[in-house]
Amino acid sequence: NAGVTQTPKFRVLKTGQSMTLLCAQDMNHEYMYWYRQDPGMGLRLIHYSVGEGTTAKGEVPDGYNVSRLKKQNFLLGLESAAPSQTSVYFCASMGTGGNEQFFGPGTRLTVL
Amino acid sequence: AQSVAQPEDQVNVAEGNPLTVKCTYSVSGNPYLFWYVQYPNRGLQFLLKYITGDNLVKGSYGFEAEFNKSQTSFHLKKPSALVSDSALYFCAVRLLRGATNKLIFGTGTLLAVQP
Repeated sequence: NAGVTQTPKFRVLKTGQSMTLLCAQDMNHEYMYWYRQDPGMGLRLIHYSVGEGTTAKGEVPDGYNVSRLKKQNFLLGLESAAPSQTSVYFCASMGTGGNEQFFGPGTRLTVL
Repeated sequence: AQSVAQPEDQVNVAEGNPLTVKCTYSVSGNPYLFWYVQYPNRGLQFLLKYITGDNLVKGSYGFEAEFNKSQTSFHLKKPSALVSDSALYFCAVRLLRGATNKLIFGTGTLLAVQP
């Protein structure tokens, strides 16, 4: 099992460009999450999903959109990137009845 | 509001000495508490959790944590630190409202173990 994978690993964008980050999990987990990690602020939840076809806002959703068309994939989109979105993005998943979240390796995004 | 606090940005300890990384929480009801570790340029890895039962929880890599309800703390401990334990450690509490299973993370504590 690959666990949780994220694509791409690194990306540099110019202000105003758009991109999509892909998260995939092969553990048949119901719950999936997108976080951003910034120095001194820990991990903050952007959006999450409690099952295929569902999405919900987390703590810092502005400027991001998500989709969960397939159970194994959770996409994070930036429609018009801003320098404030420079961060490391982590995806996580968790199974029904489980307690711990499993994290991907992260995507380092720089917006110039 | 539910929250988690890690009062130390960095903890320095000599190899072979005991280590403690502090965490306090504020939740309504009984908490589900977690510790995760992040090595450089890697994702977070689960270390241990407290759900119910014994206040002393044992986890991976020789780590343990003590749940103290009266002090609302969940400190991470290890009897003898290794240089390879140097990493960023996060405490987290799970929100039990609804079916979201969301985690609230602390800001992280950098553990530096000197040889």
